[in-house]
Formats: sequence, C-alpha cells, structure tokens
Amino acid sequence: GENVEQHPSTLSVQEGDSAVIKCTYSDSASNYFPWYKQELGKRPQLIIDIRSNVGEKKDQRIAVTLNKTAKHFSLHITETQPEDSAVYFCAADPGYSSASKIIFGSGTRLSIRP
Amino acid sequence: GAGVSQSPRYKVAKRGQDVALRCDPISGHVSLFWYQQALGQGPEFLTYFQNEAQLDKSGLPSDRFFAERPEGSVSTLKIQRTQQEDSAVYLCASSAKTGVEQFFGPGTRLTVL
Repeated sequence: GENVEQHPSTLSVQEGDSAVIKCTYSDSASNYFPWYKQELGKRPQLIIDIRSNVGEKKDQRIAVTLNKTAKHFSLHITETQPEDSAVYFCAADPGYSSASKIIFGSGTRLSIRP
Repeated sequence: GAGVSQSPRYKVAKRGQDVALRCDPISGHVSLFWYQQALGQGPEFLTYFQNEAQLDKSGLPSDRFFAERPEGSVSTLKIQRTQQEDSAVYLCASSAKTGVEQFFGPGTRLTVL
C-alpha cells in the first residue's frame, strides 16, 4: 500500500522568509497530491493540490512541485506571515474510481517568528 | 448545508460503552470518508463509501468499528465496547468524486475514560 513520509516535523521561520516542506510517496499509481492546512482545534482545509500530469502549480504565495520519477513533492510558502502558522499535511491519492484511499503524511508544524 | 457537519462534537465514554458518531456530508457528494486523527498525527484512513456502498474498510482497526451509509447520504461510525486507545478525533470528509478535494467536517473528539 501507499506510504507517505513528510519532513520536517517542525519548522520555524522568520516572518517574511520562505518555508519548504517535503514529502515522498511509495505508490507510483498515486496521481493526486493535495496539501491541507490545519489550525489548532480546526478541521483540515485544502490549500493547494497537484495532479501527476503537472510538475508545478502556484497560487499566490504558495507553490507545489512534483517529481514523479523520484516520487517527491514539496510545498513552498514565500513571504511567510503569522497566519501561516499551522500544521500542514501532504497526502497522496491513487484516485481509483472504485477504491480511493488518501494517505496522509504525519504533518509539519510551521511556526512563523515575528 | 454549507459544509460537512459532524455530531456530537465532543463525546466522553466510559470504557466498554458503545458510541455512534454521525456525519452529514455536503449534499450531492458521492464519496464519504472516515479518518481517525490521534493527537499530533495526520488523519489515518478508516473507511470509504461511494454512495451507499462501502468500498474500502481496510483501515478499521478492529471488528469493534462499524460504519454505514444506508441511503448514500448521512453516515454513522459506530464503535462498540470502547477502549482507551480509541480516544482520538474522528474526522469525516466528503467529495464530489474520488481523486478530488475532500471537504472535512469539524470532527468528533472522543475521550474514553
């Protein structure tokens, strides 16, 4: 089955600097890679996603890159702000029509220092 | 409704009690998922429904866990004879189809004493 590894588990960056979170996956059949942000005590919310036919996707200060050959994908947040502080989860989804089981990484706690 | 709702939001059970957790997905969403999230961990898949059919229940930790979605809308996760290790947040998510964004509910925090 799919296995998703996420690093680092905690990350502290100065406000205004960039943050990078990296994930690897094991199942080459996975073709959908969402990233979720979870603030303390709240539900996970999608912030960006990428499909396997795309190498990079950007949405304002957030970008995601995917290397299918190496089975790596990464989240990049530029010009970090205090409201970016949260736990971020990567995930890999095989997207089968009959059985779809998203596997989440263990999370990265991002702290933005003022 | 505007989003996925879950009830109750908090549940305290004595060890050995049965509990039932409810999920109301976004109207029209075909896919419904249940996850277990332990403190400081990512959501772990429990089970998946497509309409009323339970297509994958490989993540259910034991036969004490049972989920149903009889009419393809509301779903219930039942845990029988609760144990302390069942304490976690149980998240429900729905999506229009597989392989697209899942919308999560607020979760039910279960504490087993």
